[in-house]
Amino acid sequence: AQSVTQPDIHITVSEGASLELRCNYSYGATPYLFWYVQSPGQGLQLLLKYFSGDTLVQGIKGFEAEFKRSQSSFNLRKPSVHWSDAAEYFCAVERGYSTLTFGKGTMLLVSP
Amino acid sequence: IAGITQAPTSQILAAGRRMTLRCTQDMRHNAMYWYRQDLGLGLRLIHYSNTAGTTGKGEVPDGYSVSRANTDDFPLTLASAVPSQTSVYFCASSDGRGYTFGSGTRLTVV
Repeated sequence: AQSVTQPDIHITVSEGASLELRCNYSYGATPYLFWYVQSPGQGLQLLLKYFSGDTLVQGIKGFEAEFKRSQSSFNLRKPSVHWSDAAEYFCAVERGYSTLTFGKGTMLLVSP
Repeated sequence: IAGITQAPTSQILAAGRRMTLRCTQDMRHNAMYWYRQDLGLGLRLIHYSNTAGTTGKGEVPDGYSVSRANTDDFPLTLASAVPSQTSVYFCASSDGRGYTFGSGTRLTVV
């Protein structure tokens, strides 16, 4: 069965520092890949998605992600974190019959 | 504004009661989904519908039922609520190019 792993439950980053959130998936074919962000008490906002083509994907709010087929990874990055980036981040994979499977999430804390 | 409307926003429900969570979209998306979100578990798929008139079971379907009589509406019913169904429920839709999520329904079963 396909799955999505986000190995870090919590990450603390200093404001202005760089960020990388990890995501690994297990799936037979190259899936469609997504990153979502959720602020407390809010719904999910799409940051970026990868369907095909260039493996480096640019998203909103200065985020980017790189698809690495050999590592089955789709890590999210941001060069300089702002306090407003504190939230929970979810990686998701689209399954064969067009449903999303989510990782368990990574909570990002930003220290001053 | 195009999107997904979920109702109610929150609800406290006595165990054993029946409850229907409503979801309506105005984007004419063919596919719709119900997820539940629990702390430390992320979002898990309950049921989905690829098009009006069809539904399918997701990862955690037990205790829930859905119907898809038309394109716009996808209600989720708890026939007899139990405390383990306390969760935040998200409805979503897709046109094959991406997913749109509602704002969620926070359900507490006591």
